[in-house]
Amino acid sequence: ELKVEQNPLFLSMQEGKNYTIYCNYSTTSDRLYWYRQDPGKSLESLFVLLSNGAVKQEGRLMASLDTKARLSTLHITAAVHDLSATYFCAVDPADSNYQLIWGAGTKLIIKP
Amino acid sequence: DAGVIQSPRHEVTEMGQEVTLRCKPISGHNSLFWYRQTMMRGLELLIYFNNNVPIDDSGMPEDRFSAKMPNASFSTLKIQPSEPRDSAVYFCASSLRGVRSGNTIYFGEGSWLTVV
Repeated sequence: ELKVEQNPLFLSMQEGKNYTIYCNYSTTSDRLYWYRQDPGKSLESLFVLLSNGAVKQEGRLMASLDTKARLSTLHITAAVHDLSATYFCAVDPADSNYQLIWGAGTKLIIKP
Repeated sequence: DAGVIQSPRHEVTEMGQEVTLRCKPISGHNSLFWYRQTMMRGLELLIYFNNNVPIDDSGMPEDRFSAKMPNASFSTLKIQPSEPRDSAVYFCASSLRGVRSGNTIYFGEGSWLTVV
């Protein structure tokens, strides 16, 4: 069974701190997506990682992909309250053109 | 670009009633997805259309669910009859040619369905 596991599932942290969300997956893939969802809102694409060793950064968020370890990380630097949201990773299995396998999401609360 | 447009945004209906959710994908996108999101099951792909043709409907939970895409700019998801366990957020999403080459899937704002 194809699985995508995120941890932690819930994270409460103070502003200014650094933290990392982990996304482990069980299938062969070299494509991984990170999305953000605010409460009651849609899912917004953050990063698309297309190869082993890929690293992308946007503001205080940095995502990386290690396809050999089947692991992606989303690192938050000097967190601010506006980053509070639920973050999802999704894996594109090698044998599909449309099916994404989604993680359960990490709910991130950043306290002022 | 207007993004993926869904309607209605919120719907409360009684058990047994028919529910129709509507979606307008981003112009030029040939891939359309219907997802359902619940606390218990997370995000589930219900059906995938490519060039208006249903490619994979294995995620449609029961015969009560049906989806159509009569043209490139419109799709519907219908539930008939609706049941309380259908209460969820239904997202329509579109992309340029599936997810190959890392094409991003763009989500609509969702239709929040409550069946009482």
